[in-house]
Amino acid sequence: EVQLVESGGGLVQPGGSLRLSCAASGFTFSDHPMHWVRQAPGKGLEYVSAISANGGSTYFTHSVRGRFTISRDNSKNTLYLQMGSLRAEDMAVYYCARVSTSGYYDFDYWGQGTLVTVSS
Amino acid sequence: IQMTQSPSSLSASVGDRVTITCRTSQNIGRYLNWYQQRPGKAPNLLIYGASSLQTGVPSRFSGSGSGTDFTLTISSLQPEDFATYYCQESYSTPPERTFGQGTKVEIK
Repeated sequence: EVQLVESGGGLVQPGGSLRLSCAASGFTFSDHPMHWVRQAPGKGLEYVSAISANGGSTYFTHSVRGRFTISRDNSKNTLYLQMGSLRAEDMAVYYCARVSTSGYYDFDYWGQGTLVTVSS
Repeated sequence: IQMTQSPSSLSASVGDRVTITCRTSQNIGRYLNWYQQRPGKAPNLLIYGASSLQTGVPSRFSGSGSGTDFTLTISSLQPEDFATYYCQESYSTPPERTFGQGTKVEIK
């Protein structure tokens, strides 16, 4: 069974840092690009970052570029999102998502999400 | 790529036929996906490639369209279908993967 389990969320002060993890199981992790998607309270879904299957290519939405880093450890089946210089507008539930092999780059599995609260 | 999803919300009854539309600012071929999100839960893939039904998704869900205009149809609304639905483009490079604004389907 495919599972994605996020962890690392919590309360952080503005300007602080946090590292999210997404532990994958039930599939060959190194075969799939992965994404982070967030959802602010009461709002819609927003793409945050993406990483290729081998970790060689990374992408970020404009608002987090230079503050967030995405990485993966294929030997540990784990995806990471290192978040720095956090702002109030970064407060959201963060989901990791797997890119399917359909050829249409859809997200066929999602984690349950981890809440990041940015507040003093 | 800009996404325009409509309506933003709708009220419907069990058994109703429901249609949600998604328009993109440029031609994306069939690189359009639909997700369902129930309150407090992660999104769930319904349709990929504009019209392909994800494994395990009931056949009352269907998708159509190509280019810039797409539609998600629920043929006979069931109680468990009251949720928010999002379209997503998966054409862009780099992979921004923009989502529509969402459509909340509520009970009439």
